[in-house]
Amino acid sequence: GAGVSQSPSNKVTEKGKDVELRCDPISGHTALYWYRQSLGQGLEFLIYFQGNSAPDKSGLPSDRFSAERTGGSVSTLTIQRTQQEDSAVYLCASSLVPEAGTSEQYFGPGTRLTVT
Amino acid sequence: KQEVTQIPAALSVPEGENLVLNCSFTDSAIYNLQWFRQDPGKGLTSLLLIQSSQREQTSGRLNASLDKSSGRSTLYIAASQPGDSATYLCAVLHNTGKLIFGQGTTLQVKP
Repeated sequence: GAGVSQSPSNKVTEKGKDVELRCDPISGHTALYWYRQSLGQGLEFLIYFQGNSAPDKSGLPSDRFSAERTGGSVSTLTIQRTQQEDSAVYLCASSLVPEAGTSEQYFGPGTRLTVT
Repeated sequence: KQEVTQIPAALSVPEGENLVLNCSFTDSAIYNLQWFRQDPGKGLTSLLLIQSSQREQTSGRLNASLDKSSGRSTLYIAASQPGDSATYLCAVLHNTGKLIFGQGTTLQVKP
């Protein structure tokens, strides 16, 4: 079946512009995660959606970052007033079961964001 | 705070060698541990997942072990091939649902 998909695969934007990154999880997966991979920082957690529960936003680096998940499926990560330090690869993952202890996370190919 | 460390940061071996990648974590209260592979410019491919109650998992030439009490995991690759060249990432699943990643080991297998 189809894996996690993300769009766009690459995005170049000017400093100060807003961007939206999209993630389509694997069908039926209840949990969805956003991570960021940047040079020198490695892979870091951003936000986690689980079913209808309030999302865990503890990893968002600033209030310029927000995410939503509509209808329990597609998710959009929005970065407002982009800064050069936002340049990174943004990875989305999804997992099947609600219980964290048994869930394997499956990753999408990522969106490479470059802020000029 | 959970911290994950991978040693070495980079490794270069001739084809055919067996090798071991190391991962350590500071908080033993994990749900599971995953090993991923990442090729340049690509996403993450899950290789092996070890539940906290398990000691090891095997898939083909790969074997991953977990010693939760000592906070260590190893990824053993047998009979390495040039196609194994990639960055290998270790990640532990925190009880909050977040994966905490190490910095990765970049492996080069020379023909």
